[in-house]
Amino acid sequence: NAGVTQTPKFRVLKTGQSMTLLCAQDMNHEYMYWYRQDPGMGLRLIHYSVGEGTTAKGEVPDGYNVSRLKKQNFLLGLESAAPSQTSVYFCASSRQGSNGYTFGSGTRLTVV
Amino acid sequence: AQKITQTQPGMFVQEKEAVTLDCTYDTSDQSYGLFWYKQPSSGEMIFLIYQGSYDEQNATEGRYSLNFQKARKSANLVISASQLGDSAMYFCAMREEPGGGADGLTFGKGTHLIIQP
Repeated sequence: NAGVTQTPKFRVLKTGQSMTLLCAQDMNHEYMYWYRQDPGMGLRLIHYSVGEGTTAKGEVPDGYNVSRLKKQNFLLGLESAAPSQTSVYFCASSRQGSNGYTFGSGTRLTVV
Repeated sequence: AQKITQTQPGMFVQEKEAVTLDCTYDTSDQSYGLFWYKQPSSGEMIFLIYQGSYDEQNATEGRYSLNFQKARKSANLVISASQLGDSAMYFCAMREEPGGGADGLTFGKGTHLIIQP
């Protein structure tokens, strides 16, 4: 019963490097989300997807790109990392019409 | 304007006392959902309770209840008989329904609750 799995769990990047965070869910959920959590800010929505092949911008999308080529996977990309992107990133998924959201355990990213 | 406001950055409460965590929200939609999550120091997000805007009764889940006052746009979380394990960050969140609920949750900034023995 994996639920939502995020990889990697920790990463340190240098400014300007690129990386991709992977979110995988095994619950056949239609909706998937990427959030970032900064101290004192709660969770803020970066991008989300309502189905395979579709993505949409959330509250704080700048500097990030996403793709959902398969229903079970939602990728978050940083093309040129900046120190302001140092954060904890959470992926979540939900079933259409459901009140339940399943969160991954988070990825702690530090950009130096 | 913030959609979710949690006015208590931190709270200290004696063990076994009841706790009320405040949450006010702002929306012009008639249909919406309100959520509370717990985030312990380990970092995972734990769902606690849900209240729909059309639900006539306040939601309850074990020791958790949601004091929903629609006219005041408030959705306070009440924890009865607090325990040391309740020490954590607590987040109030809202989902506005007209988008089919697909566009995710909007979170408040959280309240750091510390239960003292």
